[in-house]
Amino acid sequence: EDQVTQSPEALRLQEGESSSLNCSYTVSGLRGLFWYRQDPGKGPEFLFTLYSAGEEKEKERLKATLTKKESFLHITAPKPEDSATYLCAVQALRSNDYKLSFGAGTTVTVRA
Amino acid sequence: DAGITQSPRHKVTETGTPVTLRCHQTENHRYMYWYRQDPGHGLRLIHYSYGVKDTDKGEVSDGYSVSRSKTEDFLLTLESATSSQTSVYFCAISEINPEGQFFGPGTRLTVL
Repeated sequence: EDQVTQSPEALRLQEGESSSLNCSYTVSGLRGLFWYRQDPGKGPEFLFTLYSAGEEKEKERLKATLTKKESFLHITAPKPEDSATYLCAVQALRSNDYKLSFGAGTTVTVRA
Repeated sequence: DAGITQSPRHKVTETGTPVTLRCHQTENHRYMYWYRQDPGHGLRLIHYSYGVKDTDKGEVSDGYSVSRSKTEDFLLTLESATSSQTSVYFCAISEINPEGQFFGPGTRLTVL
């Protein structure tokens, strides 16, 4: 069974204080690892897909990296508008229906 | 934004009553998914569809049924709602290439 564990559960940052979120995963053959952002009362918004160890992707102040066992989402010089819950999900190679297994998320609060 | 709508957006119902939630897409994507999101559990897959009239169970399917008679519509039915089905329900869509799933705005369901 695929497992995804995110840490920490919650993260409080001062504006400009860089930090990282962790996503540890166990899957029998990884097709892709996905990061989403979710604002309160809204659906998850797609951020990145990573396919293989060593891959990195960036979007504004966010940078996602991938190893064989975990992924990190680095937030550089965060702003209050980066406050959200960040979700990690994996998709297994064996999945013919592109199903995702999600972690419980990390809630990030950035104070001005 | 992916063209996904969910209706209703909010619903309060009583234990034992039937409830149907609707997901409508304008993207012509093949795959559609229903998730529920609860504190501490993240997103859990209820049912999914891989084509018109083709559906399958997810990890928390007990008490739920689905139907897909058209590419654009995916219905989730609670035959006899229970308080444990109080949750936020999200619909998602994807295409064959594994570029992730795109989510609707969610339906908040309260079963009294």
